[in-house]
Amino acid sequence: IAGITQAPTSQILAAGRRMTLRCTQDMRHNAMYWYRQDLGLGLRLIHYSNTAGTTGKGEVPDGYSVSRANTDDFPLTLASAVPSQTSVYFCASSDSRAGADTQYFGPGTRLTVL
Amino acid sequence: GNSVTQMEGPVTLSEEAFLTINCTYTATGYPSLFWYVQYPGEGLQLLLKATKADDKGSNKGFEATYRKETTSFHLEKGSVQVSDSAVYFCASYSGAGSYQLTFGKGTKLSVIP
Repeated sequence: IAGITQAPTSQILAAGRRMTLRCTQDMRHNAMYWYRQDLGLGLRLIHYSNTAGTTGKGEVPDGYSVSRANTDDFPLTLASAVPSQTSVYFCASSDSRAGADTQYFGPGTRLTVL
Repeated sequence: GNSVTQMEGPVTLSEEAFLTINCTYTATGYPSLFWYVQYPGEGLQLLLKATKADDKGSNKGFEATYRKETTSFHLEKGSVQVSDSAVYFCASYSGAGSYQLTFGKGTKLSVIP
C-alpha cells in the first residue's frame, strides 16, 4: 500500500518558471490538501478539495492553483514561482465522508526558488 | 476561528527523562484533537488523537488527555528515547462542513543519550 506519493522529491526552480507538484493517493479518500511548511510557522493550508471536482482556498492560496479531476490526483501549480515560495510542500488526504478526521501525509516536496 | 498554541521549542532531554509538550486550543464547540509527529526528512504521521472531552489518546508510550475545562491536550511520555527525537505538532479538527486541520507551529524534541 503506497498511501500518498509526491513528486518530485526536491526541485530547484528559477523565479518566474511554472511548476507543478504532483500528489497521488491510493486510499480512495474523498478529501485532499496541500500544505506548506516553513520554519517557525508550522504547516499552513494552501488549498483543499473536499471531493473530486471541487476545490477551496486555505490560509495562504495566493500564487498557487489546484485541480481535482479525479479522486486520486491533486496537483499543485505555481504559475510563476517567486523566492518566497521556497518551502517544503506536503500533500495530505482524509476520508471525511463518515466524519473521520485523520489526515494522512505524503513525504513532501522540497522546493527552492532562486 | 480555530487556533492551536503549543509550547515553543526546541526541547532537549536526556534519555529516560519525562516529557511534556503543552498544547491549548480555541474552537467553536468541541473539536477532535491530534498529535502528529514528523521524523527528520519525513512527512507527518498521526501519533494519537482524542475526539471528545476526557478521552485519552495513547500510542508508543505517548499519552494526551482531552481537557475541556482547560482547553488543553498536553502530550506526555514517561521515559523518552533517542528515537523519539522529532518535531511534534498539535492539531484540531472542528468538522462542521470543513475538513481542515488547524496546526500548532510544532515543537522540536531532541533526546540525547
